[in-house]
Amino acid sequence: KQEVTQIPAALSVPEGENLVLNCSFTDSAIYNLQWFRQDPGKGLTSLLLIQSSQREQTSGRLNASLDKSSGRSTLYIAASQPGDSATYLCAVEAAGNKLTFGGGTRVLVKP
Amino acid sequence: DAGITQSPRYKITETGRQVTLMCHQTWSHSYMFWYRQDLGHGLRLIYYSAAADITDKGEVPDGYVVSRSKTENFPLTLESATRSQTSVYFCASSLQGYGYTFGSGTRLTVV
Repeated sequence: KQEVTQIPAALSVPEGENLVLNCSFTDSAIYNLQWFRQDPGKGLTSLLLIQSSQREQTSGRLNASLDKSSGRSTLYIAASQPGDSATYLCAVEAAGNKLTFGGGTRVLVKP
Repeated sequence: DAGITQSPRYKITETGRQVTLMCHQTWSHSYMFWYRQDLGHGLRLIYYSAAADITDKGEVPDGYVVSRSKTENFPLTLESATRSQTSVYFCASSLQGYGYTFGSGTRLTVV
């Protein structure tokens, strides 16, 4: 059974600092990995999708890497802003097109 | 507007009542999913569907029923609501290999 872990569970940084969020998974037989953002009381917004054949994806200040062999992905957010405060969720897609989620990292960026 | 919509956004119901949560997508994605999100448990898959008239159980299916007579709709029914089913419910759709898109969620309270 696939298990996805996100460490740390919570993170607080001053504005302008770079954010590094970690995600690990136990079964490397994945089709893709997706990072989501969730604001309090809201739905999930997709940030980046990394397909299994890719090593990384970038969108603006966001960069996500994928190392299937070690079962790890890292989401980097450059020059953090207070608006980046949210919970970030990592999810892996395996056989059957089903997503397994990590527990999330709650981020607070202090002005 | 194109997208995935859930209704209602909020629902309060009494124990033992039947309640149906609606999900509609406009992309004709073949896959659709229902997740519930609870503190301490994260997001857990309830049911999913690979196509119209094809549904299958996820991690926590007990007490729920789904149907998918049309590709665009995937309602979730709680046949006899219990307090343990108080949760936030998210519907999602997916085109295999291209990631998931989530609805805004339904916050259900069973009293």
